[in-house]
Amino acid sequence: GENVEQHPSTLSVQEGDSAVIKCTYSDSASNYFPWYKQELGKRPQLIIDIRSNVGEKKDQRIAVTLNKTAKHFSLHITETQPEDSAVYFCADDGGTSYGKLTFGQGTILTVHP
Amino acid sequence: GAGVSQSPRYKVAKRGQDVALRCDPISGHVSLFWYQQALGQGPEFLTYFQNEAQLDKSGLPSDRFFAERPEGSVSTLKIQRTQQEDSAVYLCASSLTGADTQYFGPGTRLTVL
Repeated sequence: GENVEQHPSTLSVQEGDSAVIKCTYSDSASNYFPWYKQELGKRPQLIIDIRSNVGEKKDQRIAVTLNKTAKHFSLHITETQPEDSAVYFCADDGGTSYGKLTFGQGTILTVHP
Repeated sequence: GAGVSQSPRYKVAKRGQDVALRCDPISGHVSLFWYQQALGQGPEFLTYFQNEAQLDKSGLPSDRFFAERPEGSVSTLKIQRTQQEDSAVYLCASSLTGADTQYFGPGTRLTVL
């Protein structure tokens, strides 16, 4: 089945620095790559997503890049703020028509004031 | 508008008891997913509904797990004869169609003693 590897498992940065989280996937048929933010005890919330026909997408301080040849995609957060502290999950749809998501193991991001 | 809701938010069961977890998706959403999230892990796919049809149940860990969505809206995940390894957060997500953004509910934290 589909496998998504996420690194690093923990990331600690100073406020204002950039943070980068990387994921690799196994199924070359994958088309959809969302990133979710999950605060402790809360629901996962979509922060940005990208589809396979696009190489990069940006939304204010958040960007995602996709390299389909290498089968990896990355989340970039610039000018980090303490409220960015959370667990971040990448996922892909494994090429399914109905969007069955396979998630990475998660990255605990801590932004120090 | 109202998001995805789940009830109960917390459930404690003794080993061997049956439990039923409810999901109310966003009104009009055709697709509904159930995921299991173990502590410190990413969500793992359990099952998928398109309206009332259960089209993928490949992630259900055993025949003790059963899900239904009889009228194409509310869904129930039932676990029979609960075991300690069933302890996890059970997340429900809905999307307008299969390929669209999945919106998650707050989850039900199940603890089996």
